[in-house]
Amino acid sequence: AQSVSQHNHHVILSEAASLELGCNYSYGGTVNLFWYVQYPGQHLQLLLKYFSGDPLVKGIKGFEAEFIKSKFSFNLRKPSVQWSDTAEYFCAVLGLNSGGYQKVTFGIGTKLQVIP
Amino acid sequence: SAVISQKPSRDICQRGTSLTIQCQVDSQVTMMFWYRQQPGQSLTLIATANQGSEATYESGFVIDKFPISRPNLTFSTLTVSNMSPEDSSIYLCSVKGQGQNEKLFFGSGTQLSVL
Repeated sequence: AQSVSQHNHHVILSEAASLELGCNYSYGGTVNLFWYVQYPGQHLQLLLKYFSGDPLVKGIKGFEAEFIKSKFSFNLRKPSVQWSDTAEYFCAVLGLNSGGYQKVTFGIGTKLQVIP
Repeated sequence: SAVISQKPSRDICQRGTSLTIQCQVDSQVTMMFWYRQQPGQSLTLIATANQGSEATYESGFVIDKFPISRPNLTFSTLTVSNMSPEDSSIYLCSVKGQGQNEKLFFGSGTQLSVL
């Protein structure tokens, strides 16, 4: 069964600070990984994704994530956060359920609060 | 991309009643997913709804409690049956875009409170 662990549930940073949110996954098949973001009052939306190729993935708004296969990790980073980055961030893995259908499993989410 | 309309956006229900949540997509999609997000917890997949076949339920979820309909490629409903306060949650409809590398699109969610 696939699973996702996010280690930081609530992070508070000052503007311009660097951000790294941890994500570890468990899945035995080919890995497809995502970071989703939910800004206050908005839908979940995709931040970035990894399917294959370069393990360093760049997403929207200056975010990037690095897939490290040996560590089963897909940490999200941003060198300098802004107040507008205040949101909840979800790591997710795409795999197959017991019926052979694709399913996306999410981590518990990390609430990021950026203080001006 | 896909635009998903989900309704109701929120409801307050009495214990023992049932609520049906509707999900309408602006394009035809093969797979639709229903998630639940309980307070302080992750998004948890309830079931995958495929047109023309029975929904596939995840461990811990059963059809009697969460019956799903998928009459066509643009519409699905999830019913939360015989509700209890533990069913208070946000319920999200999601679809997977076409193509191998597409992403999930989400509806705005239904905030359900059970008294």
